[in-house]
Amino acid sequence: GNSVTQMEGPVTLSEEAFLTINCTYTATGYPSLFWYVQYPGEGLQLLLKATKADDKGSNKGFEATYRKETTSFHLEKGSVQVSDSAVYFCALNTNAGKSTFGDGTTLTVKP
Amino acid sequence: ETGVTQTPRHLVMGMTNKKSLKCEQHLGHNAMYWYKQSAKKPLELMFVYNFKEQTENNSVPSRFSPECPNSSHLFLHLHTLQPEDSALYLCASSQDPRDEQYFGPGTRLTVT
Repeated sequence: GNSVTQMEGPVTLSEEAFLTINCTYTATGYPSLFWYVQYPGEGLQLLLKATKADDKGSNKGFEATYRKETTSFHLEKGSVQVSDSAVYFCALNTNAGKSTFGDGTTLTVKP
Repeated sequence: ETGVTQTPRHLVMGMTNKKSLKCEQHLGHNAMYWYKQSAKKPLELMFVYNFKEQTENNSVPSRFSPECPNSSHLFLHLHTLQPEDSALYLCASSQDPRDEQYFGPGTRLTVT
């Protein structure tokens, strides 16, 4: 079956630090890959996506590159802010329309 | 504004009550989803509807009964719930099951 494995949290960083949250996946075919973010008291919202190998998704200073050779989609940001504190979910959708989410990684950024 | 609304935002119910959760999407999407999010547990997909037809039921107990009268509305009918059913229930929609999903803010359910 399909699976998504995320770096375990929680992750605590100081403001302006570099962020990496690792994500690897197992799936048949060529899935689309996503990062979602969930702020306290809210639902998930799409942060970025990539639909084919070597695509780079980016939004709000966050980036992730679809690496088929390593089946990875690691999330990075060069300089985090306190407002980036949230739970981050890596996810995939197969061409058959099956969704699989990772367990989520909690990020806390301290001033 | 995510385009997906859920009501109520908070619900407290006893184990013998019957209640319903409502989800509405204003995005013109064709697929809708129910998820359960419990503390310290992974996000659990419960049901998927595509063009009003149920396409997925992930072994959800029968005390949860979904209804999708049209592509814009999704309900989750609840009856004789258990305390372990207390969780955040999230609704989502997408243009197609292969596309990104748009989530509502969730209903925080407490079963007493």
